[in-house]
Amino acid sequence: NAGVTQTPKFQVLKTGQSMTLQCAQDMNHNSMYWYRQDPGMGLRLIYYSASEGTTDKGEVPNGYNVSRLNKREFSLRLESAAPSQTSVYFCASRLSGLAKNIQYFGAGTRLSVL
Amino acid sequence: DAKTTQPPSMDCAEGRAANLPCNHSTISGNEYVYWYRQIHSQGPQYIIHGLKNNETNEMASLIITEDRKSSTLILPHATLRDTAVYYCIVRNAGGTSYGKLTFGQGTILTVHP
Repeated sequence: NAGVTQTPKFQVLKTGQSMTLQCAQDMNHNSMYWYRQDPGMGLRLIYYSASEGTTDKGEVPNGYNVSRLNKREFSLRLESAAPSQTSVYFCASRLSGLAKNIQYFGAGTRLSVL
Repeated sequence: DAKTTQPPSMDCAEGRAANLPCNHSTISGNEYVYWYRQIHSQGPQYIIHGLKNNETNEMASLIITEDRKSSTLILPHATLRDTAVYYCIVRNAGGTSYGKLTFGQGTILTVHP
């Protein structure tokens, strides 16, 4: 049982390049999330998916797109990377149900945009 | 969701209990208190949650005051591996925001040998 798996772990991009961050969970969770964390800051929600086939914007969606490919996978795409998107990106999934706001996080992807 | 206030940092000696406070004076009746922690360079980790009764699991205990305006996370025998940022989050159980969590600045707990 791997939990939440993110790939890649590290990535360096040049300004204007594109890339997709991958996330997969094996816990049969309905909801999945993408956060970013800048140095010394708390996590900020980029996008989330309440269930397969649905996605919604979070707090900081500009410059990103997402795809909920199936129940397991939720990818985050940067179409034209900018230095301001240098950050650590975390994917999470949630156990649904009343009072179950328990999210399980991946190990993160450390992205540098030069 | 109710706002939370935590001290920016705390220290604790290894083997002693670490008591991390959280103030949530505007909490409403259907909001739960959740605690997460983030060890350096790792993703956040769920610790415990509660509504009004005290809770205990294998990681920690959660004490919520009777008026629910504050709570304390207790790590009974802190180890060096408990050094982390601890986040207190208040969140309602359901609603339409699909479990979105708001992470504040948290408390940096440093456990000393």
